[in-house]
Amino acid sequence: SAVISQKPSRDICQRGTSLTIQCQVDSQVTMMFWYRQQPGQSLTLIATANQGSEATYESGFVIDKFPISRPNLTFSTLTVSNMSPEDSSIYLCSVASPLISYNEQFFGPGTRLTVL
Amino acid sequence: AQKVTQAQTEISVVEKEDVTLDCVYETRDTTYYLFWYKQPPSGELVFLIRRNSFDEQNEISGRYSWNFQKSTSSFNFTITASQVVDSAVYFCALSEARAAGNKLTFGGGTRVLVKP
Repeated sequence: SAVISQKPSRDICQRGTSLTIQCQVDSQVTMMFWYRQQPGQSLTLIATANQGSEATYESGFVIDKFPISRPNLTFSTLTVSNMSPEDSSIYLCSVASPLISYNEQFFGPGTRLTVL
Repeated sequence: AQKVTQAQTEISVVEKEDVTLDCVYETRDTTYYLFWYKQPPSGELVFLIRRNSFDEQNEISGRYSWNFQKSTSSFNFTITASQVVDSAVYFCALSEARAAGNKLTFGGGTRVLVKP
């Protein structure tokens, strides 16, 4: 399996500010994903972070609001821009790689974001 | 498009009772993968099991068992002799083989509360 860390683990932010969440994996992985879990809800895929190119966003999510970087095969960042209370969620990073386990995703511990 | 439905939003049982979580899925693919994840109060997502669409054999792992029925598009999960530590939200998820990057579609989750 892969060991995934996320920073910060939690944060409380003011409306209108931005927060960048980091995801670090202990081995090179093919795919990295960012999910959002709103309070009491299920997980929704925000985007797939592509190494060396722009992220692929799911319907309802846009780059201006959730810019993503993936400079190498072990690291990615998600920024939540111009935050509002509706952005209060857990943000989870996940990874997948046939080198580790075919068609299986491993999840990081999540970042709990509260926007006031 | 794929869809996962977990009709039970919350189940409450007394310790040592068995509990079965239902999961019904929809997909047009003939090759797909089904997953169960556990999310304890800490928020981390814990992988429990993966099944591919060609393997309908039921599986047992300790107190956990899974019943995969392609004919009814169901992948149910049973916890035998439940314990307080089983209290968590459980998610069923689907990944289509043709989906780029093996994206996961999650069900709404079932909250299990095991009372002592």
